[in-house]
Amino acid sequence: DTEVTQTPKHLVMGMTNKKSLKCEQHMGHRAMYWYKQKAKKPPELMFVYSYEKLSINESVPSRFSPECPNSSLLNLHLHALQPEDSALYLCASSLNPFSSYEQYFGPGTRLTVT
Amino acid sequence: DQQVKQNSPSLSVQEGRISILNCDYTNSMFDYFLWYKKYPAEGPTFLISISSIKDKNEDGRFTVFLNKSAKHLSLHIVPSQPGDSAVYFCAASTGAAGNKLTFGGGTRVLVKP
Repeated sequence: DTEVTQTPKHLVMGMTNKKSLKCEQHMGHRAMYWYKQKAKKPPELMFVYSYEKLSINESVPSRFSPECPNSSLLNLHLHALQPEDSALYLCASSLNPFSSYEQYFGPGTRLTVT
Repeated sequence: DQQVKQNSPSLSVQEGRISILNCDYTNSMFDYFLWYKKYPAEGPTFLISISSIKDKNEDGRFTVFLNKSAKHLSLHIVPSQPGDSAVYFCAASTGAAGNKLTFGGGTRVLVKP
C-alpha cells in the first residue's frame, strides 16, 4: 500500500478565514512533506518533517503553519492567505529523511483564495 | 538557478513506439534520480528511480538511463500506450539534504492511437 490521503479535495476560502489541510499515511514512513504546485509548474517544496520534527522550512510565509501530531498525520494550517496562494497543495511521504528514497504523493488539495 | 532541467516541454509519439524523455542536472551532489508521472488535478505518481551508483534501471516498459559524466538522464517508455499521456517530471535528491526533491519543469507526453 503506497497510499497518501489528503482532505479536503477542494477548498475555497476568503482572505480572513482560517482553514486546515490534512494528510495521512499508514506506510510507516518517518518523513513527510508539503509541496505547492502552481499551474504548468513543477511542485515546490514548502516543509519537511523528519520523525515528527520540522527539519526544513523553505522560507515559507508564516501564514502557512505546518503541524505533525504523530507519525501518520500532517496538517497545514492556513490563515490570512492571499489570492496568489491559490494552488494545488501536495503532501508526500518517504521511508526516512536521511537517505534518498522515493516520495509518495497524495492527490492534493486544490485551494482557491478569494 | 534551475538545477534540474527538462528542455522539451512536450513530446508526441505514436502508440507502440518508443518515448524518450530527457533531463539534465547541474548539481553534482545529487545522488538519486526519480521520474514521476502526473495527470491533471492529481498528485505525481512515482514511476522509477535510479541511484547515482548505477547507469541503468529497468521496470517493465520503463527504463531510466543515467550518464553521470554528462549530468544527463533519460526515461524510455516502450511500447508507448495512450494511457501514458501525462506530464512527466524528472526529480533529483541528495540524501544528505533531508531527501529534498528538486523537480524539472516537466514534459507533456501525448501518445496518439
